[in-house]
Amino acid sequence: EVQLVESGGGLVQPGRSLRLSCAASGFTFDDYAIHWVRQVPGKGLEWVSSISWNSGSIGYGDFVKGRFTVSRDNAKNSVYLQMNSLRPEDTALYYCAKDRTAADTGWFDPWGQGTLVTVSS
Amino acid sequence: DIQMTQSPSSLSASVGDGVTITCRASQKITNSLNWYQQIPGKAPKLLIFAASSLQSGVPSRFSGRGSGTDFTLTISSLQPEDFGTYYCQQSYNTPRTFGQGTKLEIK
Repeated sequence: EVQLVESGGGLVQPGRSLRLSCAASGFTFDDYAIHWVRQVPGKGLEWVSSISWNSGSIGYGDFVKGRFTVSRDNAKNSVYLQMNSLRPEDTALYYCAKDRTAADTGWFDPWGQGTLVTVSS
Repeated sequence: DIQMTQSPSSLSASVGDGVTITCRASQKITNSLNWYQQIPGKAPKLLIFAASSLQSGVPSRFSGRGSGTDFTLTISSLQPEDFGTYYCQQSYNTPRTFGQGTKLEIK
């Protein structure tokens, strides 16, 4: 069974950093691109970042503005999202999701259960 | 950025009804349009990809149509497990963008 498990969320003060992890199982990890998508509780979905199978192609949402960095470790079947200079508006549930191919085709399936990030003083 | 606009924002229907949700893109996106279902408290689930292709395991009562800028998701006979929020999403270019969602409620 394909499974994605996010971790690393929590309460953090504005301006501080947080590193999210996405651990994958049930598929050949380095055959697929991985995405991060976030959702403010009760609101809609917003694409955050994507990373191709070999980290050769990386993309970010406009709002990231150099604050977030996505990376992956294929030996550990994991993707990471380093988030710096966090703002209250970054408060959201952060999901990771698998693409259908090694490249970023923009399909998200399946998704993990999400990890909640709360940015507040 | 490509803006995705869904209508209606909310919809009330009964079990057995047929419903259609519309999604419009701010520019042509060929058939690069995906539909997701989100049940409260759960992660989104891919239903339809490339505008009209049914994801494996998704019931055939779900169908998608469209190309260019206008797309529809139709559920032919609503079941109790179909109630939730539906999102369209364009995969034509980055940044990937979603519609604002259509909340489907039980009448």
